[in-house]
Amino acid sequence: GESVGLHLPTLSVQEGDNSIINCAYSNSASDYFIWYKQESGKGPQFIIDIRSNMDKRQGQRVTVLLNKTVKHLSLQIAATQPGDSAVYFCAEKGGSGNTGKLIFGQGTTLQVKP
Amino acid sequence: GAVVSQHPSRVICKSGTSVKIECRSLDFQATTMFWYRQFPKKSLMLMATSNEGSKATYEQGVEKDKFLINHASLTLSTLTVTSAHPEDSSFYICSARDRQGYYEQYFGPGTRLTVT
Repeated sequence: GESVGLHLPTLSVQEGDNSIINCAYSNSASDYFIWYKQESGKGPQFIIDIRSNMDKRQGQRVTVLLNKTVKHLSLQIAATQPGDSAVYFCAEKGGSGNTGKLIFGQGTTLQVKP
Repeated sequence: GAVVSQHPSRVICKSGTSVKIECRSLDFQATTMFWYRQFPKKSLMLMATSNEGSKATYEQGVEKDKFLINHASLTLSTLTVTSAHPEDSSFYICSARDRQGYYEQYFGPGTRLTVT
């Protein structure tokens, strides 16, 4: 079945360092992937997305890399700041047709040390 | 733009009562809304897909008579937890998909339900 999972449940980085959060997905037919940030007690916040016809996409301080060969997705955060501390989820647009259903990974907690 | 609100943000109810949660898209029209449930330190679990003007599609294992979903307009979907029990206590989150979009979903801030 479809599943999206994360390699590490918690990532601790020093302020100013770069962070890399990884995600593995199992459905090779998935064509759209998203990274969300969720702070405690709040809903997920969109960070960046990527379609399957791309390998890399950059935003402000964030980069998403997609490796379809090994079904791997990563989120890179440059110059990590205390405000980046949160749980990060990858999500995959799953299901057949255009249902728009998202399948979420288990989440990685990012802790930024001052 | 693309703001989704939920009401209430927190609710406490007694066992056996029902509680309604509203999800509104404030500045766009959403033909499709999604309802998720999230337990502490866990990921989001899709409960159902809500389509405007039609019956909701529930995920396997989700009781449709327990979690009533109504999507009466292009900007409002409601989730009613009927005959609530303590095990229904959770964080409920909705998302909405712009009718003009294909991929993007915009999430609400969530509703914390506590059943005593």
